[in-house]
Amino acid sequence: GDSVTQMEGPVTLSEEAFLTINCTYTATGYPSLFWYVQYPGEGLQLLLKATKADDKGSNKGFEATYRKETTSFHLEKGSVQVSDSAVYFCALGGDGGATNKLIFGTGTLLAVQP
Amino acid sequence: KAGVTQTPRYLIKTRGQQVTLSCSPISGHRSVSWYQQTPGQGLQFLFEYFSETQRNKGNFPGRFSGRQFSNSRSEMNVSTLELGDSALYLCASSLEIGGYTFGSGTRLTVV
Repeated sequence: GDSVTQMEGPVTLSEEAFLTINCTYTATGYPSLFWYVQYPGEGLQLLLKATKADDKGSNKGFEATYRKETTSFHLEKGSVQVSDSAVYFCALGGDGGATNKLIFGTGTLLAVQP
Repeated sequence: KAGVTQTPRYLIKTRGQQVTLSCSPISGHRSVSWYQQTPGQGLQFLFEYFSETQRNKGNFPGRFSGRQFSNSRSEMNVSTLELGDSALYLCASSLEIGGYTFGSGTRLTVV
């Protein structure tokens, strides 16, 4: 079945460092890909999405490109801030079928130190 | 506009009891999905409702059920609670495929 694999955390960085969180997927069909962020004690917030191959999603300095050839959707940010500390989830879903089911990766905890 | 509202935020129940959680989607959104989040299993899909019909169901026992009302509000029910049902239950609403907005969740603790 469809699945998402994320790099294990925690990822600990100093402020202004470059961030990469790896995400690869297995899917039949042509799913959309998402990155969600979860701050302590809160629900999930959509960070960015891409709906087809070669699309680049971007938001708040974060970027991810939908790479069909490598089945990847790696999250990047050029300069992280302490406020970016959170858990990041990669997800796939919405493959054009009649369902809104999302399949999530295990999440990656990011800790940014001042 | 108002986001997805889940009530209650926190809940403590005893093993064997049942519980009902509520989700009010964003106005106009007709799709409501439920997810369970635990440290061990991560985020797992429970079910999705669209226009009062269950459109998809995850791999959970029959103790987990849900429904959606004509105003798109949704409830999920868990009967005969077990310790392992302790989790954060998240609801997401969508206007169309791929546009998911999550609520803050209901933290259920079973003792």
